[in-house]
Amino acid sequence: GAGVSQSPRYKVAKRGQDVALRCDPISGHVSLFWYQQALGQGPEFLTYFQNEAQLDKSGLPSDRFFAERPEGSVSTLKIQRTQQEDSAVYLCASSPGTGMYEQYFGPGTRLTVT
Amino acid sequence: AQRVTQPEKLLSVFKGAPVELKCNYSYSGSPELFWYVQYSRQRLQLLLRHISRESIKGFTADLNKGETSFHLKKPFAQEEDSAMYYCALSRGSARQLTFGSGTQLTVLP
Repeated sequence: GAGVSQSPRYKVAKRGQDVALRCDPISGHVSLFWYQQALGQGPEFLTYFQNEAQLDKSGLPSDRFFAERPEGSVSTLKIQRTQQEDSAVYLCASSPGTGMYEQYFGPGTRLTVT
Repeated sequence: AQRVTQPEKLLSVFKGAPVELKCNYSYSGSPELFWYVQYSRQRLQLLLRHISRESIKGFTADLNKGETSFHLKKPFAQEEDSAMYYCALSRGSARQLTFGSGTQLTVLP
């Protein structure tokens, strides 16, 4: 079956532009996570959804970052007024339930802010 | 606060040699620990988790609470094991993951 997909795979934005990154989780997966991976680092947690409810957004680095999952499937991570420090790979992961389930990762979106 | 440390950014071994990738953690609760692997041009995927106590692709990892370690071991490395390996700790009600910075393993022929 299809895994987690993300689009676009690559995004170049000029500083100050807004961007929207999309995640299509595995069908039926309840939990959805966003992570940010800077160059040479491991992924860092940004936010978590259980169905359409955003239950944890403690990792979002600033109020320029906003995520939504309105119908409990597709999710969008939006970054307003992008800055150079936002350049990173943004990973989406989904899992079938809550608790001790494997997280399945997407291929990531590489964002470069120039 | 929880933290995962992988002290080696790069590790090279020869094919057939034993390999150990180090991982240390700090966490106030009962940890759930994982190893994730990313092969070249592939996505991040789960290799193994400590609660399963299983061997995957010949790799094992034992949780040592006294030393707060979860090192990944394989007795005989293969070239196809070359990849980036991340140790991760699961936390919170949602089980979000805290990752280490990763170790790039290269198995030389």
